[in-house]
Amino acid sequence: RKEVEQDPGPFNVPEGATVAFNCTYSNSASQSFFWYRQDCRKEPKLLMSVYSSGNEDGRFTAQLNRASQYISLLIRDSKLSDSATYLCVVNSDAGNMLTFGGGTRLMVKP
Amino acid sequence: SQTIHQWPATLVQPVGSPLSLECTVEGTSNPNLYWYRQAAGRGLQLLFYSVGIGQISSEVPQNLSASRPQDRQFILSSKKLLLSDSGFYLCAWTRSIMTSGRGTQYFGPGTRLLVL
Repeated sequence: RKEVEQDPGPFNVPEGATVAFNCTYSNSASQSFFWYRQDCRKEPKLLMSVYSSGNEDGRFTAQLNRASQYISLLIRDSKLSDSATYLCVVNSDAGNMLTFGGGTRLMVKP
Repeated sequence: SQTIHQWPATLVQPVGSPLSLECTVEGTSNPNLYWYRQAAGRGLQLLFYSVGIGQISSEVPQNLSASRPQDRQFILSSKKLLLSDSGFYLCAWTRSIMTSGRGTQYFGPGTRLLVL
């Protein structure tokens, strides 16, 4: 079983739609959680950290469910510019080692 | 502010040739440094990480090596490239484990390597 699993997609949605991605992780001792965004042929960039109480940044909402070991990302009012691959990332040790999911590809259509 | 540089941006090399990719970080000291490879359409694979000068840990056996000759410089090398070495090579940094923070990694722009 992979340490961090994501549905690869692609998720094809119209502009203005709400879309949600889930990610599951296998290590119950995981401590820190992130969503990164990667545009085609570019480096991953931090989208947002995921806090235990859930957090929101504009149109983006991240949730953490430790009991079920999954993380979610909700995007409201999708824009064409949201088209990218979204990487679920988990820090499972006391250091700075991150484990990346394979990514979920989102395509927002006009 | 901190910035991370990688070069070259793109590289086409024949099988069996040597490789040297460089990564430098500005605006911070004693960072943790990482090399990842991303094959086409695939996830990130951690290759090496370093917590200090001369300290290298390897995550997967391969024909690649890494070195950290200076605090903010990380080099990825190979003596003889294989076809399977093709991919997108990303360097990343985090603040040292000794400082506060949640382990966020920041990536350089990457080097796209094609081995023919």
